[in-house]
Amino acid sequence: DTGVSQDPRHKITKRGQNVTFRCDPISEHNRLYWYRQTLGQGPEFLTYFQNEAQLEKSRLLSDRFSAERPKGSFSTLEIQRTEQGDSAMYLCASSYPEQETQYFGPGTRLLVL
Amino acid sequence: GENVEQHPSTLSVQEGDSAVIKCTYSDSASNYFPWYKQELGKRPQLIIDIRSNVGEKKDQRIAVTLNKTAKHFSLHITETQPEDSAVYFCAATYGSGNTGKLIFGQGTTLQVKP
Repeated sequence: DTGVSQDPRHKITKRGQNVTFRCDPISEHNRLYWYRQTLGQGPEFLTYFQNEAQLEKSRLLSDRFSAERPKGSFSTLEIQRTEQGDSAMYLCASSYPEQETQYFGPGTRLLVL
Repeated sequence: GENVEQHPSTLSVQEGDSAVIKCTYSDSASNYFPWYKQELGKRPQLIIDIRSNVGEKKDQRIAVTLNKTAKHFSLHITETQPEDSAVYFCAATYGSGNTGKLIFGQGTTLQVKP
């Protein structure tokens, strides 16, 4: 499968724990995006990378959230001290250089108990 | 602000009828408008997109129209089939330069009755 992949697909954690998600974009895609989707809503932009540089973060993104893309390939999204309100689907998307079309991964569904 | 409004939130049609979903956006600088289809538990899948230099685009049973002056765009599905049942999201790019950040509408749940 040469599409965007995400790991894990599901994560259940207790409030206060840290979690980390991974996204592998489509090969040669230099742009990588993280979105969050709650039930019944559209995806909400979190942050964006071009190669290894994080170029934008949503104002809604708490300082408990951090994302990295150290080598310009895969990316990780870490949530520290999780809260029940963090329960959502975390989607990753990638795109070719200078092209707007974003391809989404299957998402990581997080449940915070 | 960054906002995309989508209507209706739910839409039920008989198989073979047409379905229309409408979206409005707030940033006049937006220049790319994709539509995604999302089936339950699956990833959003791009079904069609349009750029600001084009007023209409068609792909088989699916078409999208864009009115930049009024800042609205619409998805048209003709000859609907049960497999068209899903949640549809419109989106628009926001931000300076060409970051490609997408702001999504709230979604429309389309039900096609056989």
